[in-house]
Order: sequence, then C-alpha cells, then structure tokens
Amino acid sequence: QKEVEQNSGPLSVPEGAIASLNCTYSDRGSQSFFWYRQYSGKSPELIMFIYSNGDKEDGRFTAQLNKASQYVSLLIRDSQPSDSATYLCAVGLTGRRALTFGSGTRLQVQP
Amino acid sequence: DADVTQTPRNRITKTGKRIMLECSQTKGHDRMYWYRQDPGLGLRLIYYSFDVKDINKGEISDGYSVSRQAQAKFSLSLESAIPNQTALYFCATSDPGLAGITGELFFGEGSRLTVL
Repeated sequence: QKEVEQNSGPLSVPEGAIASLNCTYSDRGSQSFFWYRQYSGKSPELIMFIYSNGDKEDGRFTAQLNKASQYVSLLIRDSQPSDSATYLCAVGLTGRRALTFGSGTRLQVQP
Repeated sequence: DADVTQTPRNRITKTGKRIMLECSQTKGHDRMYWYRQDPGLGLRLIYYSFDVKDINKGEISDGYSVSRQAQAKFSLSLESAIPNQTALYFCATSDPGLAGITGELFFGEGSRLTVL
C-alpha cells in the first residue's frame, strides 16, 4: 500500500461542473495536508492546506479532511479549462520531516 | 526574481559524467529539500536539510549526494550519472511550520536532466 494514494486519472469534467479529487493516506497520525496544482513542465503551486477535520473553503476550492477515514479531498466548483492540470496531494506523515506526495491526478476540463 | 532559483534549468549529459544541480533561495527558510519527479510517480524525496549541519537522506538517495554550503544554498550532485536518473528535479524550501507540523513547501522552477 502506498503511503499517499491518488487515482491517476485523467478525470474529465465539463466546464462549469464540480471536479472532485480524492487522496487517501496510510498514517492515521498525519497532521498536515496539502493540495498542489502542477501544469505540465512547471513547478507545483499550493492551492490549499488543511490541518483539521472538516471543510475549508477558498474561492472555488474546498478541501475536505476526514481523519477517521484517512482521506482528504479537493472540490473545484465552476471548473474552468484553466484548471486542467495535475493535482498533487501531499501529507505530513507522522515522524517524517518532509512531505510525502501522491502520484497526482490529472484533471481535464472540457470547454 | 524567483524566491527559489535552480540552475541549470535544462541539462543533457552522458552516462558516467558528474553533474551538479544548484539551488539558492531568498525566502530565509532553514529547511531545504531535493525532490525528483518521474511521469506517473509524483514527487519523491532525495535529500533534505534543516540547517547547514543537518543533512538527511530521503527515500531515493542512492546515487546522489548533497552539499549545504550556506543557509540559502543546497546543491545536489550525481557523481556518475546513469540514464534512469533522467527526470525533473525540484528544489524546495519550507519554514518550521506550527508545533512541529510539516509546513508548506515552496518550489523552484525545476531542473530537467537527461542522461544519455
């Protein structure tokens, strides 16, 4: 079992729809969770971070954390073609001094 | 200017050559990291350093070495490059975070290395 798992996709959604990206992690004691967006050939850029159970909203983005079920998700409302990218989930696993990344989910927003 | 700068941005080299990738930062962060990215494999940690005297191996350190020359500089070396080290390499920095919780990473623009 990978420590941080994501479906590689591609996830294809029509413009204006809600895109739902999911990430599961193996370590129940993990405390910090991040979503990065990465365009092809570019560096990852932070979209959201979340530390506590529940939802956290920032504009069109909502991060959802459920520590009991060990998953974190990212919802993108009113998806735009410019949202087409790979989304990386990163987790601060217990005892690790650096973030551990999932392999990423590629999102395609169809105009 | 970028807060985290990597040089070179692109490099093509031959098997057996020594290669150094350099990273410098102006964010004032103590923590610096080197990650490698391969298609479909996400980002994997090679080495990290929490201060000049603190160097730690990551999950894929074999075949790599690092040097932390100063708080702002962290270099990655491939002593004898091999083709499966062809990848996109990212340097990143972070601050200590809250109460020991691993904080956000700030990435450089990446160094694309091709080993023939």
